[in-house]
Amino acid sequence: IAGITQAPTSQILAAGRRMTLRCTQDMRHNAMYWYRQDLGLGLRLIHYSNTAGTTGKGEVPDGYSVSRANTDDFPLTLASAVPSQTSVYFCASSAQAGGSTDTQYFGPGTRLTVL
Amino acid sequence: GQNIDQPTEMTATEGAIVQINCTYQTSGFNGLFWYQQHAGEAPTFLSYNVLDGLEEKGRFSSFLSRSKGYSYLLLKELQMKDSASYLCAVRDGDYKLSFGAGTTVTVRA
Repeated sequence: IAGITQAPTSQILAAGRRMTLRCTQDMRHNAMYWYRQDLGLGLRLIHYSNTAGTTGKGEVPDGYSVSRANTDDFPLTLASAVPSQTSVYFCASSAQAGGSTDTQYFGPGTRLTVL
Repeated sequence: GQNIDQPTEMTATEGAIVQINCTYQTSGFNGLFWYQQHAGEAPTFLSYNVLDGLEEKGRFSSFLSRSKGYSYLLLKELQMKDSASYLCAVRDGDYKLSFGAGTTVTVRA
């Protein structure tokens, strides 16, 4: 593995079901992020983690939860999916939140459809 | 909060130059990023500005004026592969990125 991987690539989900999107990075980055991307709205931050063991809320956190048990993994869970959560979800990581460059690198994305 | 504006679409001819403008209003400022995103793919990092002025990187250049809340991305010698969306992103006082909606650039032969 090199970089960030996400799984699944795409998923169709019935409303009300629980779903976990997986994200793994092998760059030993401290910070990780979850975004959703919707047409005309750009990327919006859902949750973030500055380091293992800590998480924080972004711009659109409602209906989503995250955990950061170790450096490499940052799963995103939809407890009870609703159609408005249909989107493309991107995971990203950066070496250190707040660093002088702190460039974020993105995974390939998960296309989620909630019916 | 952040307010980031960039044009929705631009079209240019192969070999030409295109300038994508980005204006922003931010609570705290810790740098501005440009990303490129091809259809169906992940955003990839292009450039970073934190001080006023021009940063040049091959055919791509990015400019920042902090006092005006303004940046542009300049794409020179356009190639067909440059057809993509270009995302302007501002890092705020809490070191979080806020993205504009993106500018879709279409390069025509």
